[in-house]
Amino acid sequence: DVKVTQSSRYLVKRTGEKVFLECVQDMDHENMFWYRQDPGLGLRLIYFSYDVKMKEKGDIPEGYSVSREKKERFSLILESASTNQTSMYLCASSDGTGAEKLFFGSGTQLSVL
Amino acid sequence: KQEVTQIPAALSVPEGENLVLNCSFTDSAIYNLQWFRQDPGKGLTSLLLIQSSQREQTSGRLNASLDKSSGRSTLYIAASQPGDSATYLCAVFSTGNQFYFGTGTSLTVIP
Repeated sequence: DVKVTQSSRYLVKRTGEKVFLECVQDMDHENMFWYRQDPGLGLRLIYFSYDVKMKEKGDIPEGYSVSREKKERFSLILESASTNQTSMYLCASSDGTGAEKLFFGSGTQLSVL
Repeated sequence: KQEVTQIPAALSVPEGENLVLNCSFTDSAIYNLQWFRQDPGKGLTSLLLIQSSQREQTSGRLNASLDKSSGRSTLYIAASQPGDSATYLCAVFSTGNQFYFGTGTSLTVIP
């Protein structure tokens, strides 16, 4: 079965720390996405990638960067974590064929203290 | 920019009732529409995907319809059960190769 795996379910970090969120998909999908989800604001797109080593900014990229060195892995990096980055982070992938069924990981709840 | 709206934001029904969740979008130029279920603190699970050329899709007790011209989709849940309690989100895949999400309907099925 299709699987998108996020490395951590819960993370607690300190303000100013560098934080890595990892996402791996086993479906050979072209497209990968990082969203954050906050109560009342819904899902907001941070970054996405349509190919290896390729990245595009989403709606709220400030304070984040990404890395896609291999097709199956898409990493989200918080260069210097801040309290307003406390959120649920969701990784997703789609096949890029046009059918574009979106598959999500189980999410990482990040708390920045 | 595409905007997706889900009304109501919350719904509470007694067990066994049939119910309809609504999703509307402002730009009819979509490639597909997908319905998801989200349990508290978890990721999104895909329920149904309707391509732009299709009118409806069914899976078990779930039926989703799509009317592109009016910018609407409905998710019909038959014979609701307490285990159906969750938040249901719709998303459209639209021009610019972007996904646009509604903010969801929180469903509670009362035993």
